[in-house]
Amino acid sequence: GAVVSQHPSWVICKSGTSVKIECRSLDFQATTMFWYRQFPKQSLMLMATSNEGSKATYEQGVEKDKFLINHASLTLSTLTVTSAHPEDSSFYICSARAGGQGAGLRGYTFGSGTRLTVV
Amino acid sequence: AQTVTQSQPEMSVQEAETVTLSCTYDTSESDYYLFWYKQPPSRQMILVIRQEAYKQQNATENRFSVNFQKAAKSFSLKISDSQLGDAAMYFCAYRGGANSKLTFGKGITLSVRP
Repeated sequence: GAVVSQHPSWVICKSGTSVKIECRSLDFQATTMFWYRQFPKQSLMLMATSNEGSKATYEQGVEKDKFLINHASLTLSTLTVTSAHPEDSSFYICSARAGGQGAGLRGYTFGSGTRLTVV
Repeated sequence: AQTVTQSQPEMSVQEAETVTLSCTYDTSESDYYLFWYKQPPSRQMILVIRQEAYKQQNATENRFSVNFQKAAKSFSLKISDSQLGDAAMYFCAYRGGANSKLTFGKGITLSVRP
């Protein structure tokens, strides 16, 4: 089945530094990847949608300059939290969607998430 | 804009019993997909079941089945013979036919009593 690998699973960084989170589709080509943020006991909040080779589309209220998304290949998307602050501490999840016929029903495969703590 | 509503924040079920999780949605589209995802304490999102809107037959995956009422815009999940491993947060999600984004409900926390 489709597998998405997300790294790191957890990271602690100092305030003001940048952190990069990777999301890789291991056995399929992900034409579209999504980045979510989730607070404890809450739903997933979509931050941005990235399509391979093009600029990411950010949801309203998400700072593009703080959350840099790159989708340079069909198997890799990265989220960089720049100049992180304690309020950026959260759980970040990526998901990937393959293209082609039947993609809609196949749904989406999620990474295992990254717990970011900014101190 | 599409919305997904899960009005029950928490539910509890006795092991081996049946439980139904409710979900309603609002859309003006005729072509769309509906999903139920499970998020256990590990926080890994797991697809439980999916339904294409144009299919009248309710989807079934082993102990999991849905009651899809298109006219009422309702998409409930029934878990039969509940097991301790079913304890998790469950999210109902919608995807439009022309849009690749998933819209999630707020989720419901299901606990299973031994």
